[in-house]
Amino acid sequence: NAGVTQTPKFRVLKTGQSMTLLCAQDMNHEYMYWYRQDPGMGLRLIHYSVGEGTTAKGEVPDGYNVSRLKKQNFLLGLESAAPSQTSVYFCASSHDRAQETQYFGPGTRLLVL
Amino acid sequence: GQQVMQIPQYQHVQEGEDFTTYCNSSTTLSNIQWYKQRPGGHPVFLIQLVKSGEVKKQKRLTFQFGEAKKNSSLHITATQTTDVGTYFCAGSGAAGNKLTFGGGTRVLVKP
Repeated sequence: NAGVTQTPKFRVLKTGQSMTLLCAQDMNHEYMYWYRQDPGMGLRLIHYSVGEGTTAKGEVPDGYNVSRLKKQNFLLGLESAAPSQTSVYFCASSHDRAQETQYFGPGTRLLVL
Repeated sequence: GQQVMQIPQYQHVQEGEDFTTYCNSSTTLSNIQWYKQRPGGHPVFLIQLVKSGEVKKQKRLTFQFGEAKKNSSLHITATQTTDVGTYFCAGSGAAGNKLTFGGGTRVLVKP
């Protein structure tokens, strides 16, 4: 049981480039989330999904898109990266509601130059 | 929208001493969760509180949920070097679709 995995672990982008971060969970969880973590800002919710084929905006959705085509995968896309998107990105999942325990992946460190 | 604030932002503690970190929400919460993140790691779930006035203990850690369900605290007794990390509280409203995290309290332990 791998839990929640994220790829890649680290990436450097130039301004304007695009990329996709992949999150996968093998716990059959319904809910999945993407957060970004910046120094002193805690964890801020970017987008989340309450089930396969559904997505919703979180606190800081601008500049990001997501897709949940399969229950076990949640993809986060940056269409045109900006230096302000330099951050550590965490994916998380929970069984059926946010009120349940959230299990986090190891994170992706993204540097946008 | 819902806001969750944590104080202090940083806590320097002498090994063996006690300390408390506080969490305050702008709205009434249906539950509150606490997570710990070790340096370089990812957040790991510690505990969930649901009932008004609820108190739960995990060894040297004591968690409390306020009577109005708008605040919470984490008290650590006899701090050890293994307690180093950032402690986050996170709350959800009635809808329960998402958690709002506080900014975290970063704990540094002086041996």
